[in-house]
Parts: sequence; C-alpha cells; structure tokens
Amino acid sequence: DTEVTQTPKHLVMGMTNKKSLKCEQHMGHRAMYWYKQKAKKPPELMFVYSYEKLSINESVPSRFSPECPNSSLLNLHLHALQPEDSALYLCASSQVTARGSYNSPLHFGNGTRLTVT
Amino acid sequence: KNQVEQSPQSLIILEGKNCTLQCNYTVSPFSNLRWYKQDTGRGPVSLTIMTFSENTKSNGRYTATLDADTKQSSLHITASQLSDSASYICVVNPIGTGYSTLTFGKGTMLLVSP
Repeated sequence: DTEVTQTPKHLVMGMTNKKSLKCEQHMGHRAMYWYKQKAKKPPELMFVYSYEKLSINESVPSRFSPECPNSSLLNLHLHALQPEDSALYLCASSQVTARGSYNSPLHFGNGTRLTVT
Repeated sequence: KNQVEQSPQSLIILEGKNCTLQCNYTVSPFSNLRWYKQDTGRGPVSLTIMTFSENTKSNGRYTATLDADTKQSSLHITASQLSDSASYICVVNPIGTGYSTLTFGKGTMLLVSP
C-alpha cells in the first residue's frame, strides 16, 4: 500500500459543482505535489508546495485551487471545471534536502479518478 | 527543450523471460534519473534512482543502467512475472531546480503473458 493516501478514489462532478481532492502523508516529507495525468500520457506537474508554501504553479487555471493546511495535508479545490479536466489527479511527496529535492524520490498516491460531466 | 524518449512504446513477453527497456534523454545537465512502475489506475512507484555519477542500480529483479556520455538509460527485468505487467516510466530531474520538477518519458507498456 502506498504511504500517500488520496481521497476520494473516484469523483464525478458537474461543471457547476465545487469539490475538493485530499491528500495525506505521514512520512515527514516537506515537499508535496499535485500532478494531472491523462490516459496513456505521463503525469504533468500542476503545483509544488515546500514547507507549506506554494513554490511552483505551472500556469494552472484558477478553477484549480491548491491548499496546504499543514505539513501532512494537501488539498485541491475544484470549481467550474470543464469536461477536458477529466483525468487522474496524483498527489506526491518527497523530502527536501539541502539542495532541494535532487536525490529524493517522489512517493505517489494512487490518485483520484475525476470525471467532469 | 528537455526531452525523454522511451522505447519500445509497448512490449509483450512470456512469463519467465527477460526484457530491456530503453530511455534516451536530452536533459543536460541533470541531477538524477529515475525509473517508475505504474500499474493501471494506480500511482507510479519508484524502482530506482541514479545520480549522474552512477552506472547501475538494482532493485530485486530490476536493474537500471546509465550512460551519461551517450545520455541513455536502460531498465532490465529478469525472470518476468505476470505482476510485472505495467507501464514503466523514465524520469529525469534537471539540475538547478530547487524541487522535483521532473521530465517524464511517455512510458513503455509491458505485458507479461502466461
């Protein structure tokens, strides 16, 4: 079993709904990430948090809003999504070493399969 | 643009056989290269991670090699099992980035048949 837990596993939402994806890890990792993965494609980085502060936003539309309430939790708030936003959303975490996360492997959760209707 | 190219795109082998997956990259300089295994509908799981100074790294039946001169890496799977059926993704971490901003290959889909 993965040490990064994501809930829910599956989510179906309409374009006017507001929902949230949740991610939790208790490995003491201080870097946490959101990735989006479409079928048969590699994961695409969305956001990076380091020490609970947003470090990287890969030009993600504002209908995706991340939140890191503490060192163990990472949320992704969803609002007014489009059908093309349907994908597997992966959360990951890693240690932050003195040189950043150069040699620290990412630990991925099993993702939330999101369908926007 | 930094790229990671993997071959073959897909592969079918018989249970018990060995196979080798290839990864060519243009990312330079880079900090480390990783191989992940991703089962369908699940998140990627790290198999190996190698710095630019390492040539080989093993994890059970998985052995990764790295040739920094030719910018090539391979993942060798020995005595394949049905549970090895998955997508294998090569990932390169560019140097100079403060966090894991990784360049992903598109993966090789491996099917091990009985």
